[in-house]
Formats: sequence, C-alpha cells, structure tokens
Amino acid sequence: QSVLTQPPSASGTPGQRVSISCSGSGSFETNYVYWYQRLPGTAPKVLIYRSNQRPSGVPDRFSGSKSGTSASLAISGLRSDDEGDYYCAAWDDSLAVWVFGGGTKLTVL
Amino acid sequence: QVQLQESGPGLVKPSQTLSLTCIVSGDSINSGDYFWSWIRQSPGKGLEWIGDIYYSGISYHNPSLNGRVTMSLDTSRTQFSLKLNSLTAADTAVYSCARGSFDLGFEYWGQGTLVTVSS
Repeated sequence: QSVLTQPPSASGTPGQRVSISCSGSGSFETNYVYWYQRLPGTAPKVLIYRSNQRPSGVPDRFSGSKSGTSASLAISGLRSDDEGDYYCAAWDDSLAVWVFGGGTKLTVL
Repeated sequence: QVQLQESGPGLVKPSQTLSLTCIVSGDSINSGDYFWSWIRQSPGKGLEWIGDIYYSGISYHNPSLNGRVTMSLDTSRTQFSLKLNSLTAADTAVYSCARGSFDLGFEYWGQGTLVTVSS
C-alpha cells in the first residue's frame, strides 16, 4: 500500500555522505514527513520528525529536508553501524491513514 | 522512560482472530497528547499502519484491512489491545505497538512480536 516511494537500496563507504529520497503526492506536499531507522533485530527509531527536526540523542550526522512532494534523509560520516532499513512516513489526509515508504536498505561497503 | 511490550500468541490458525496486548510503562494512556498505535511488517515487506486509539477510546483503522480490526483500552489505562479477525496467511507479520503524535511521529515502539498464520 506504499504511496510513498523510496529507492529499495542505497550504499556508501565509511565516512561518505548518502542521501535517501522519498516522494509522494497529494497531502504529502503539505504534511510533515518522518524518518525511521530499523537496525537488525531492533525496534524502529525515529530519526527525523516534522520533516527536518532531530529528536534529542540522534546525532547531527542525520538530517532531513522536504520540498514540495519530495523529501530526503541525508547521512553524513557514514558508519558501519548505520547499516539497516530506513523508512519515510507521513499522514495521508485523503486516505486518513499513516503511510510508509517501502523502505531503503542501506549497506555500508 | 516510556516502554511498550507486546504480548500474544505466536501462531494462529487461518480464519481465527488474533488478539494482541501492548503493556505500557513510564506513561499513562490517559494523556491526551498522544495516540497508541499498532503497526505491522510482513516478511520481506515494509511497514503497514494498522490503527490508532486515543485516550477517549476512539480508534481509527487502516481501510485496507476491510473492517477486520478492533482496538480497545483497558480500564486501568496501562495497556491497549488489538483484535484482527478472519486471518489469512497474508496477515503473518511482526506486530508492533507504538506511542505516536502528529508532532513527533511514532516516538516509542515495542520490540514487536511475530505472528504466524498457519494451520
């Protein structure tokens, strides 16, 4: 049911900067986007809320941005323990549901 | 520190009803600032929102589940529950509970519990 589109995979080497995109339509343009990190065997963790805000405890290596119907998560200074799955999410006004992107599997080479 | 913990059966037969409970500690479900959610992830697939319930007891569900969802709060306000009926193999997933808000998103999650639908 993903109405948010993410690339299925992304990769980078330690220290690099990678970016993961998330595109939507309709109310996505005006609503907040959230980014979640799911590391192997752990519960999802919110990395970004209100499109570009970081919860306390999330390193400033993680940043979010949004313009129109596109959003992105950038990770700088890539580390091996950043390997995992990353999901964008938003509230969809027309469907009255929370929607998630299909997820992006990040590999640190 | 807010903590959530799911409990329920790991194996359910097709056509039966799944019942899961989420025990909340470190917060009260009575807080009107948040909603309490169920989210699942089928093997090899992404996250799917099941529904939210508010302290008032009003709940909202994903229409894609075709009315099979019931959510409730217990009177002690320390746990909330999910019932999903008419199960099929497609309902096999890790089911997670979470605390959410439109401001912060799904801020706290349980570890998740694997539910397999099989005869």
